Amino acid sequence: KNQVEQSPQSLIILEGKNCTLQCNYTVSPFSNLRWYKQDTGRGPVSLTIMTFSENTKSNGRYTATLDADTKQSSLHITASQLSDSASYICVVSASGGSYIPTFGRGTSLIVHP
Amino acid sequence: ETGVTQTPRHLVMGMTNKKSLKCEQHLGHNAMYWYKQSAKKPLELMFVYSLEERVENNSVPSRFSPECPNSSHLFLHLHTLQPEDSALYLCASSQGGSPRRDTQYFGPGTRLTVL
Repeated sequence: KNQVEQSPQSLIILEGKNCTLQCNYTVSPFSNLRWYKQDTGRGPVSLTIMTFSENTKSNGRYTATLDADTKQSSLHITASQLSDSASYICVVSASGGSYIPTFGRGTSLIVHP
Repeated sequence: ETGVTQTPRHLVMGMTNKKSLKCEQHLGHNAMYWYKQSAKKPLELMFVYSLEERVENNSVPSRFSPECPNSSHLFLHLHTLQPEDSALYLCASSQGGSPRRDTQYFGPGTRLTVL
């Protein structure tokens, strides 16, 4: 069964600090992996997408990495800001079988001043 | 904003009521989606419409009935819902009709409470 597990479930950090969110998946055969940011009261917004051949992708202060061998991804946030407070969702798609992506439960990040 | 709007933003209904959720996309996309987001659970894809035809119905109970009159509008008709249907209902659109390949743009959602 395709699964996506995210850790930690929640995280509190101080403004200006860095943090790393983890995503482990069992989706196979692998097609792509996305990270979404969901602000409270809003829909998710795509941050990055990576395919099998990519092992890192940046979007401003957000850097995603992918290790397709260990089936792990991480999202690193540099110099956090208050506006980074949100839920971060990892989504993995398979290249065969069901074309419905597998969503993680998300990591809730709170950045304190 | 993402170019996808949803109304109403909040809805409270009884189990015997009939209501509809509306979604409109202003991006010129060809595909639209309904998702359910419950607390502590992953997003669940409910329906996919590509070029106004339903291409996916992810084992959703018949008390949820989608309608896509054109590529810019999507409705979710609700009737005889259960309290466990209380959730955030998100609409999304994409250029193509593949949820695994195409970037989806989400609306802000409708927070539904069933009493």
